[in-house]
Amino acid sequence: GESVGLHLPTLSVQEGDNSIINCAYSNSASDYFIWYKQESGKGPQFIIDIRSNMDKRQGQRVTVLLNKTVKHLSLQIAATQPGDSAVYFCAENKGGTSYGKLTFGQGTILTVHP
Amino acid sequence: DAGVTQSPTHLIKTRGQHVTLRCSPISGHKSVSWYQQVLGQGPQFIFQYYEKEERGRGNFPDRFSARQFPNYSSELNVNALLLGDSALYLCASSLEGQGTEAFFGQGTRLTVV
Repeated sequence: GESVGLHLPTLSVQEGDNSIINCAYSNSASDYFIWYKQESGKGPQFIIDIRSNMDKRQGQRVTVLLNKTVKHLSLQIAATQPGDSAVYFCAENKGGTSYGKLTFGQGTILTVHP
Repeated sequence: DAGVTQSPTHLIKTRGQHVTLRCSPISGHKSVSWYQQVLGQGPQFIFQYYEKEERGRGNFPDRFSARQFPNYSSELNVNALLLGDSALYLCASSLEGQGTEAFFGQGTRLTVV
């Protein structure tokens, strides 16, 4: 079946390094993607989104890249901080009859060491 | 501005019982979606409501039902609880039904014993 998946389940970095979290999706009809950060015991926190008509979008310390050719999505975090430690999920919306349904990937655990 | 609020935050129920979870979306948001998140996994879509109409249903049994009220708040009901229903239940609100940012509440942690 079609799904969103992550290449790396865990990622450990040193404080100040840049982090890259990857996500693969299989449905070429997906037209909207969101990255979420989830800390223990909390709900997912919206980080950044991107639509399929874009290749790149930047936020504060974060950049999302979309490669539709290989159906790949990545989240780049600049100057990673200990507070960035969390589970990161990518989610896709297929639009059409799927309406607003978001399909989430498994998640990547990011650990930032001081 | 208040974010998405869910109640209760924690709940313990016995197998076979019924539970009602509540969600208040961000002011001005017309869409509410419900997700179930089992430990160690990503959230799984249960329902979406937009303008008080059901717009999507995930692969969950009929024991799960929901509704949206005129003020756009929503309830998720689960009947005949099973141990496997233990999870974090998340509510997300968005301005429109699709293609716009979806913001999540803190969730309701349901434990079925």
